Amino acid sequence: QVQLVESGGGLVKPGGSLRLSCAASGFTFSDYYMSWIRQAPGKGLEWVSYISSSGSTIYYADSVKGRFTISRDNAKNSLYLQMNSLRAEDTAVYYCARYTPTGSYGDYVYYFDYWGQGTLVTVSS
Amino acid sequence: DIQMTQSPSSLSASVGDRVTITCRASQSISSYLNWYQQKPGKAPKLLIYAASSLQSGVPSRFSGSGSGTDFTLTISSLQPEDFATYYCQQSYSTPYFGQGTRLEIK
Repeated sequence: QVQLVESGGGLVKPGGSLRLSCAASGFTFSDYYMSWIRQAPGKGLEWVSYISSSGSTIYYADSVKGRFTISRDNAKNSLYLQMNSLRAEDTAVYYCARYTPTGSYGDYVYYFDYWGQGTLVTVSS
Repeated sequence: DIQMTQSPSSLSASVGDRVTITCRASQSISSYLNWYQQKPGKAPKLLIYAASSLQSGVPSRFSGSGSGTDFTLTISSLQPEDFATYYCQQSYSTPYFGQGTRLEIK
C-alpha cells in the first residue's frame, strides 16, 4: 500500500533553516510528481511546491519562492523541502502528497491522491 | 493565480440531509477541479477528481459536477462520518485550494 512519511519538523527561530523529508513506499516513486502542501494552525490548505517525476520541472507558491527548495532522490524514494529564512507565518503542518495525473497526454488533470500524516514546523523566538 | 472561492464557509445539517457545497473559480478551469475531505488532526482525503470522477473507495453518496467556473460537491444523504471540512482545489494552473467549508452537525 502507498505510504508517505514526513520527518524533520520542529521548532526553529525566525531566520533559521529546516529540511523536511518524505519517505515514500508502495509505489514506483520515480513515476510520479510529488508536492508539499501546508496548513497553518486553524487555517486552510496552502499548496507550497511541486516537482516532476524526473525533477526537471519545479514550481513554488509566491509565498515561499526564493526561500524554499524542493528536491527528490528517486534512488532513495525520498522527497525533500529545504526551508531557509523562515518566518513566523511559515508555522504550519507540512504534508507531502503524491500528485497524480488522469486523462490523455496534453490534457492531464492532476490531483493529490495520497498524503502523509504531516510534520509540524513552528517558527518562533 | 486562479483563485477558488467556496460557499458557504460553514454549514449546519442533520444526518440524512442532502448537502451541496459550491466552488467558483476566478477564471475558467474546464474540469480541472478536485474535492477533498479533512477531519480534525488528519490529512485530507481525495473524494472527487476531474470535477465528477469518484475516487476509488469513496461512498457513492458523494458526487461532483460542474465545468468552467462553477462546481458543486453534493452529499446525497449525510452520514455521521461526513461531518468534516471540505476543500476544492484547481489543477488548471499551479494548484490552489478553496478556503474550505466546515460541515457541522445541526
